[in-house]
Amino acid sequence: RKEVEQDPGPFNVPEGATVAFNCTYSNSASQSFFWYRQDCRKEPKLLMSVYSSGNEDGRFTAQLNRASQYISLLIRDSKLSDSATYLCVVTNQAGTALIFGKGTTLSVSS
Amino acid sequence: SQTIHQWPATLVQPVGSPLSLECTVEGTSNPNLYWYRQAAGRGLQLLFYSVGIGQISSEVPQNLSASRPQDRQFILSSKKLLLSDSGFYLCAWTGSGAERRYGYTFGSGTRLTVV
Repeated sequence: RKEVEQDPGPFNVPEGATVAFNCTYSNSASQSFFWYRQDCRKEPKLLMSVYSSGNEDGRFTAQLNRASQYISLLIRDSKLSDSATYLCVVTNQAGTALIFGKGTTLSVSS
Repeated sequence: SQTIHQWPATLVQPVGSPLSLECTVEGTSNPNLYWYRQAAGRGLQLLFYSVGIGQISSEVPQNLSASRPQDRQFILSSKKLLLSDSGFYLCAWTGSGAERRYGYTFGSGTRLTVV
């Protein structure tokens, strides 16, 4: 089983749609979880941290299920500017580095 | 505020040539530093990380090496590049300890093409 698995997509949605991304991770000892956004040919940028209680930042909501080792990201009212690759990220077993999923590509069209 | 600098932005090198990529961080002390590589169409792969001067941990065996000669300087090197070394190289930093829960900040990356 890969350390972090994501559906690569692409997800093609119209503006205003709600879209959800899922991610599973293999290391039950992981302590920190994040979603990053990466635009084409750019560096990844932190979108949001993910907490067990769930957290929301505007149109973005992240959820963590430690028992199922499952992370999700929900984007409401999609904008054209949301088009990017979304990376699911967890800490490695030693807690010393981040392990990245391969990313899910989102394309929002008008 | 903290900033991370990485250069060059783009590099084209022949097979067998040496490589040196540099990364520096400003506005913080004793950062944890990381080198990642993203090959075309693939995910980010952790290459090296460092928790202090002279302390380097390697995640995968490869044709590359890393050094940390100063607290806020991280260098990625190779003596002889291979075609398979082509990719997007990213340096990242985070604070130590509990600050890691706030994620990593990446430099703008170096796009290396080995020809």
